[in-house]
Amino acid sequence: RKEVEQDPGPFNVPEGATVAFNCTYSNSASQSFFWYRQDCRKEPKLLMSVYSSGNEDGRFTAQLNRASQYISLLIRDSKLSDSATYLCVVNIAFGNQFYFGTGTSLTVIP
Amino acid sequence: EAQVTQNPRYLITVTGKKLTVTCSQNMNHEYMSWYRQDPGLGLRQIYYSMNVEVTDKGDVPEGYKVSRKEKRNFPLILESPSPNQTSLYFCASSLFTSKREDSYNEQFFGPGTRLTVL
Repeated sequence: RKEVEQDPGPFNVPEGATVAFNCTYSNSASQSFFWYRQDCRKEPKLLMSVYSSGNEDGRFTAQLNRASQYISLLIRDSKLSDSATYLCVVNIAFGNQFYFGTGTSLTVIP
Repeated sequence: EAQVTQNPRYLITVTGKKLTVTCSQNMNHEYMSWYRQDPGLGLRQIYYSMNVEVTDKGDVPEGYKVSRKEKRNFPLILESPSPNQTSLYFCASSLFTSKREDSYNEQFFGPGTRLTVL
């Protein structure tokens, strides 16, 4: 079983739409959680960390449900520039191994 | 400028010819890591290091070696490359902290090395 599973998509949404991505992880000992963004086989870049209480950064909202071992990312008012692959990342035991989901592809259409 | 650098960016080689991909960071990070990215499989961790002279295997260490003699450098060594090691490789670094629920574990990635083994 994969440590981190994501719906690969692709998600094709019109500008201004709201889109949600989900991710599940298998190791209950997982300590920290992140969403990264990757453009066109370039290096991944941190979009946001995911806190237990949920957190928001502008149009982006991340949620963590430890009981269900589930992480989500909500993007509101999608922009063309949001088109990318979104990677769910889980860190086991702080600073040790990181596990990446295979990524969810998003294309925002004019 | 804070950054992670990798060299070379592109490499085509032949089976069995030893190669080294260098990685260097200028952020004084304790933690460094190597990943490979393959279609449909995502990024998979090869090796990681929590400090100088401390390295550990990730998910897919077979066929790779690393060393961490200095804090800033973390080279990836392929002693005898094979075609199944053709991939996109990323080096990353971060602070090492046990602090809960913050972005201190944010990893900064290098630009990637595209390796083809014929």
